[in-house]
Amino acid sequence: AQSVTQLDSHVSVSEGTPVLLRCNYSSSYSPSLFWYVQHPNKGLQLLLKYTSAATLVKGINGFEAEFKKSETSFHLTKPSAHMSDAAEYFCVVSAQGYGGATNKLIFGTGTLLAVQP
Amino acid sequence: EAGVAQSPRYKIIEKRQSVAFWCNPISGHATLYWYQQILGQGPKLLIQFQNNGVVDDSQLPKDRFSAERLKGVDSTLKIQPAKLEDSAVYLCASSPFAGASYNEQFFGPGTRLTVL
Repeated sequence: AQSVTQLDSHVSVSEGTPVLLRCNYSSSYSPSLFWYVQHPNKGLQLLLKYTSAATLVKGINGFEAEFKKSETSFHLTKPSAHMSDAAEYFCVVSAQGYGGATNKLIFGTGTLLAVQP
Repeated sequence: EAGVAQSPRYKIIEKRQSVAFWCNPISGHATLYWYQQILGQGPKLLIQFQNNGVVDDSQLPKDRFSAERLKGVDSTLKIQPAKLEDSAVYLCASSPFAGASYNEQFFGPGTRLTVL
């Protein structure tokens, strides 16, 4: 079965410092992995996705993530945090749905990112 | 392009009452999903439609939850009767098709349900 574990429920950084949000996955086959962001009172937005192409994936707003099969990790990073990055971030793995249907998303429990001025 | 629309945005009901949520997906998207997001948790898939057919409802509590997608466009999710533990945000998402595991899902703003 597919699953993701987000290692930190809360991360606090200062504006202008690097961001690291950690995610480990478990999958019985080569996974598709995603990071979604959720701002307060707004819908989930896709930041980036890994689909077995390049292991370093670049997303929107300066975020990137690296797929490391040996470590079963897919950590999200950004060189310099901005106040507008404050939000909740979800690591997601795509799984085979019931009856073989694809595109079933399994969400982690989320990491709340706070950015201090 | 218009996004996924949901209504109402907020709903407060008492336990044992009924409630319904509405979702209109992005035009042309064949696949529609309903998720339940309990406070402090990630969203959990309740049901997936492909056009107007159900693809996956394995995690839908069928004794109280029902959903339909008539004509393969908009969808309604109903809870009858509601329990306290149904308090959550109900998210609707759509994607062009479900043929590939990397297909992006586009999410609506959600309906926040409070059951008293």
